[in-house]
Amino acid sequence: DVKVTQSSRYLVKRTGEKVFLECVQDMDHENMFWYRQDPGLGLRLIYFSYDVKMKEKGDIPEGYSVSREKKERFSLILESASTNQTSMYLCASSSMIPGQGTKSSYNEQFFGPGTRLTVL
Amino acid sequence: GEDVEQSLFLSVREGDSSVINCTYTDSSSTYLYWYKQEPGAGLQLLTYIFSNMDMKQDQRLTVLLNKKDKHLSLRIADTQTGDSAIYFCAEKRTGGFKTIFGAGTRLFVKA
Repeated sequence: DVKVTQSSRYLVKRTGEKVFLECVQDMDHENMFWYRQDPGLGLRLIYFSYDVKMKEKGDIPEGYSVSREKKERFSLILESASTNQTSMYLCASSSMIPGQGTKSSYNEQFFGPGTRLTVL
Repeated sequence: GEDVEQSLFLSVREGDSSVINCTYTDSSSTYLYWYKQEPGAGLQLLTYIFSNMDMKQDQRLTVLLNKKDKHLSLRIADTQTGDSAIYFCAEKRTGGFKTIFGAGTRLFVKA
């Protein structure tokens, strides 16, 4: 069974703290993504990575950075957490290789369960 | 713009059909998707349609694509309480890595 795991389901941090959100996938996927989900706004892409050590800004990268040192792990970093970063954070992965998995040729994204971050 | 738009809420009675609508902007989209998010969980792909198709049926699910109007719909027949969730419409454009998601439609099923 394919799996994307996130390090925490719930996290509470204080303004100004450095926050690390970890995501691990066991499907040998090339692509990994970080989104934030807010009511009425849906999913907004923060950063994505298409290979180890490669990263691209998404639609809302300000205040965030990422790290992809190993293929299976993609970390989201909040350098100095602020209250407007309180949100649900979702990690996802997908394959570039057709035929790997049942739906990878359709660019299906596999999501983790999410981390609900509260910044006080 | 890049918007994928869908209504935020839909309420139906158990046993009725649900129809969730979505509009997208980019005519070059290759795949269009419906993802489902159950409470406390991440998104899971429910179904997809390739852009050269008009319709796709999968058990209780029917996806209709009107490419001219850039309109996608998901019909759930015989809606059950277990179908209560948030449904996200999404599009994947030719080339690139990004999938653009709508805001999600929260489906309430009344017993």
